[in-house]
Amino acid sequence: AQSVTQLDSHVSVSEGTPVLLRCNYSSSYSPSLFWYVQHPNKGLQLLLKYTSAATLVKGINGFEAEFKKSETSFHLTKPSAHMSDAAEYFCVVTPNTGTASKLTFGTGTRLQVTL
Amino acid sequence: GAVVSQHPSRVICKSGTSVKIECRSLDFQATTMFWYRQFPKKSLMLMATSNEGSKATYEQGVEKDKFLINHASLTLSTLTVTSAHPEDSSFYICSARAGRGGETQYFGPGTRLLVL
Repeated sequence: AQSVTQLDSHVSVSEGTPVLLRCNYSSSYSPSLFWYVQHPNKGLQLLLKYTSAATLVKGINGFEAEFKKSETSFHLTKPSAHMSDAAEYFCVVTPNTGTASKLTFGTGTRLQVTL
Repeated sequence: GAVVSQHPSRVICKSGTSVKIECRSLDFQATTMFWYRQFPKKSLMLMATSNEGSKATYEQGVEKDKFLINHASLTLSTLTVTSAHPEDSSFYICSARAGRGGETQYFGPGTRLLVL
């Protein structure tokens, strides 16, 4: 079994300040973890993924996330927020196995960026 | 690379009619495609998983006779909402994956369905 908990449903930051979106997971198997971003009325875009290689993962648009097994966390960070970062962010887990597997989505965190 | 398209992006139909939504992987062969439904301000709910050339596997609570899925080729899957009703109005998103393991799923831009 696997699950994802996004600890904040809504985060508001000022432009130019750091972003932290929190995600905790549970998985019976060694997991693959993803962060996706969704802008209004759009599909999901992959920001970054962890698949058992380096624990610090760098993604697009300056985002990065660190896989911490001891804390079962995969928090998303960005040093300096931009107005265009305002969107919904989903943390996603899937078993890192060789068989067909399904994604389990968190409930999402809405990031608001203010001037 | 790894682009997934959906057509149409938006559709309005009358209650009782059927609507077909196409999902295409443009630059890779998708062994597996997934169909999700997203309610307003909610997360994605997996409806079904389809592997090319075989019957789709539906999630619990999803009516297979209402949501017909066909994955006839490695680049195309279709979702047909049969006899649509207003409660079927939603945002439908497909995704595609090249392999069968933990590889990345690439998502289409979604289709907004409004049933009047």
